[in-house]
Amino acid sequence: EAGVVQSPRYKIIEKKQPVAFWCNPISGHNTLYWYLQNLGQGPELLIRYENEEAVDDSQLPKDRFSAERLKGVDSTLKIQPAELGDSAVYLCASSHGGGAFFGPGTRLTVL
Amino acid sequence: DQQVKQNSPSLSVQEGRISILNCDYTNSMFDYFLWYKKYPAEGPTFLISISSIKDKNEDGRFTVFLNKSAKHLSLHIVPSQPGDSAVYFCAASSYGGSQGNLIFGKGTKLSVKP
Repeated sequence: EAGVVQSPRYKIIEKKQPVAFWCNPISGHNTLYWYLQNLGQGPELLIRYENEEAVDDSQLPKDRFSAERLKGVDSTLKIQPAELGDSAVYLCASSHGGGAFFGPGTRLTVL
Repeated sequence: DQQVKQNSPSLSVQEGRISILNCDYTNSMFDYFLWYKKYPAEGPTFLISISSIKDKNEDGRFTVFLNKSAKHLSLHIVPSQPGDSAVYFCAASSYGGSQGNLIFGKGTKLSVKP
């Protein structure tokens, strides 16, 4: 069974540019998470979906970040415009009750 | 304010010995706890979990102990192997993990020396 798929794995952009990350969760997993991980820190939740509904987006900086999961399967996280402080690893995870399974992450570098 | 705390940033252990990683939490609503292992350039990998109705869960060389009164859990690895060298994250959630968000600690870097 395939795990959580994320693309791209790495992305380098200049500040003020837009960027998008894509995630395909494990088949059958209704819950999808986007996490942000800074160096030396644990993952921090950005948004959680139950099917296509965003049930917790309280930590998502909505002035520049947006996310969607239109058909309740794959999801896209967008940043527009990117700032220097957005450089981090963006992790997608999915679950069907119990523990979450993570993808490999997208390492974003904003110059 | 951190709800999940891993106070030891790093731990070094000799191969074959026991590794003990500790985690404390502050939110009494947490009822499901997980440990994740992370290698560089990879996402965290689920290792073992425990529900608050238990005080111990074992899976091969890995055992998690939960002390609810102290709001403390620990991960024991016996015997430790060089391949166990990684960053270990403790995570907690409410509602058995099915409805709540996972809250992570900052991680402990384990180094197992041959």
